[in-house]
Amino acid sequence: DIQMTQSPSFLSASVGDRVTINCKASQNINRYLNWYQQKLGEAPKLLIYNANSLQTGIPSRFSGSGSGTDFTLTISSLQPEDVATYFCLQHNSWPNTFGAGTKLELK
Amino acid sequence: EVQLQESGPGLVKPSQSLSLTCSVTGYSITSNYWGWIRKFPGNKMEWMGYISYSGSTSYNPSLKSRISITRDTSKNQFFLQLNSVTTEDTATYYCARLIRGTDYWGQGVMVTVSS
Repeated sequence: DIQMTQSPSFLSASVGDRVTINCKASQNINRYLNWYQQKLGEAPKLLIYNANSLQTGIPSRFSGSGSGTDFTLTISSLQPEDVATYFCLQHNSWPNTFGAGTKLELK
Repeated sequence: EVQLQESGPGLVKPSQSLSLTCSVTGYSITSNYWGWIRKFPGNKMEWMGYISYSGSTSYNPSLKSRISITRDTSKNQFFLQLNSVTTEDTATYYCARLIRGTDYWGQGVMVTVSS
């Protein structure tokens, strides 16, 4: 199985800050990498699919980049409603595998 | 809008079978792919398997022969059965639609395996 290493596992930032979260795949996954946001008690929400495509309805402050093995989720200006856990998913090969998650809190 | 809702018992005894239902509204399960994901205590997540628009299935090899995913198209539901459960199967179970990787998820149902 492809291993996904996500960092950091915990992040504290202030409103307005630029925030970056990383995922590294153990082998080439092309651009088949998604980013999700999950708030407590809610279903995960797809933010970015295929590395850099913004899902419909997601604010433009969210963006994704990368290809191959290294990927980044960026929040350009952190808002209070962005407090959540973020995780990545590779869907290049079965079984699809997940990063361990990043818990984002406000400083 | 597509909505998925998991249902099933929250407590299962070791060695028994875990059975869950995913009810889908706003989209037909005879299109695309539909599957089950679980999140363990400690937050590790695992893709368990999926069923296609035609009814074919694919499972995570880690679950070997313990897993079965079926569907009832008349009710727009699909199902998870996991046999011979142990305490290591304690997790929150999610159903999901496989478009763009995985787009829509249910809210999840917590299942504890304990005697």
